[in-house]
Amino acid sequence: GEDVEQSLFLSVREGDSSVINCTYTDSSSTYLYWYKQEPGAGLQLLTYIFSNMDMKQDQRLTVLLNKKDKHLSLRIADTQTGDSAIYFCAESMDQGAQKLVFGQGTRLTINP
Amino acid sequence: GAVVSQHPSWVICKSGTSVKIECRSLDFQATTMFWYRQFPKQSLMLMATSNEGSKATYEQGVEKDKFLINHASLTLSTLTVTSAHPEDSSFYICSARRSNQPQHFGDGTRLSIL
Repeated sequence: GEDVEQSLFLSVREGDSSVINCTYTDSSSTYLYWYKQEPGAGLQLLTYIFSNMDMKQDQRLTVLLNKKDKHLSLRIADTQTGDSAIYFCAESMDQGAQKLVFGQGTRLTINP
Repeated sequence: GAVVSQHPSWVICKSGTSVKIECRSLDFQATTMFWYRQFPKQSLMLMATSNEGSKATYEQGVEKDKFLINHASLTLSTLTVTSAHPEDSSFYICSARRSNQPQHFGDGTRLSIL
């Protein structure tokens, strides 16, 4: 079955880089996503990567995909207090309906 | 682009009341809309998938008579929680997508049943 795993908590100092990790089980995943959820809000799409890519960079965000190990990571450079949130990794395999399977979410805390 | 609006953002009502939540795609036509439920400090649980003009597909364990979904147009889907009870209190989030594009989410509706 489909399963996505993330560690629940990450704490970093302001200005440092944050690396949030995710593993998934189904090798037929076609798209992998990172969403951000702030308290009391919905999910904001940060970035996504196709399964035939190894890396994608967008300003402070870098996504790395190791398809062999089924491992996805999100690196946030120069982490700021506004980056405090829960980050969800998600995968989709169903090309038609694009159903998402979410991880448990990683709560990122920024220390001054 | 790809803005999804959800309304209301917060509703409190008495047990036995039916509550309707709206989800609108503001700047695109959504071929598919999704409804999720999120419990405190947990991930999102998909409730149902709906395509415009057709019946929603419900996930296993979700009561279709309890959670009525209508997707009458390419920009609007509604979720009605019928005869709501305290155990239905939760955070409900919708998302919408157009063909071959990622899902974009609304800001969620916090439902509290007294």
